Amino acid sequence: GAGVSQSPSNKVTEKGKDVELRCDPISGHTALYWYRQSLGQGLEFLIYFQGNSAPDKSGLPSDRFSAERTGGSVSTLTIQRTQQEDSAVYLCASSQTDDSSYEQYFGPGTRLTVT
Amino acid sequence: GQNIDQPTEMTATEGAIVQINCTYQTSGFNGLFWYQQHAGEAPTFLSYNVLDGLEEKGRFSSFLSRSKGYSYLLLKELQMKDSASYLCAVKDSNYQLIWGAGTKLIIKP
Repeated sequence: GAGVSQSPSNKVTEKGKDVELRCDPISGHTALYWYRQSLGQGLEFLIYFQGNSAPDKSGLPSDRFSAERTGGSVSTLTIQRTQQEDSAVYLCASSQTDDSSYEQYFGPGTRLTVT
Repeated sequence: GQNIDQPTEMTATEGAIVQINCTYQTSGFNGLFWYQQHAGEAPTFLSYNVLDGLEEKGRFSSFLSRSKGYSYLLLKELQMKDSASYLCAVKDSNYQLIWGAGTKLIIKP
């Protein structure tokens, strides 16, 4: 079946512009996660959605970052007034639920470059 | 604070065995995951441990000791395609995954 998809795969933007990154999770997966990964680094948690519950935004680095998930499916991560330090690969993952042993399935990521 | 420690880089020889260690300090424990990530690709799931002991899956095995806050991933009969980063992650009491920085494994012929 289809996996997690993300678009665009690459995005180059000028400092100060806004960007939107999209994630289509696996159908039926209720949990959706956004991560950021800088070159050679581990995964940095950004935000997490579980069903209709309020999202866990504890990982968002600043108020320039926001995300929404419409209809419990597609999610959009928005970065306003981008800065060079926002350059990274943004990974989306989904899982059947958030508890216990269910692993996360990752999308291919969006590589964001802020010039 | 919450912390996951792994070696930054390891080197091993094709055909050999390598053990990648992971120690963790988290608020609660609801399982430990190992993921493999090839350069430029997304992480893919390898194993899950929630009880103490060894879980074997083909050439890969994962061990957990909850009392020691310790896990290892054992890779046998190493192949060149095993060159990748290996990420350790722990689910805390809120079921949030806390990720280590990953161990880059280099396989030499």
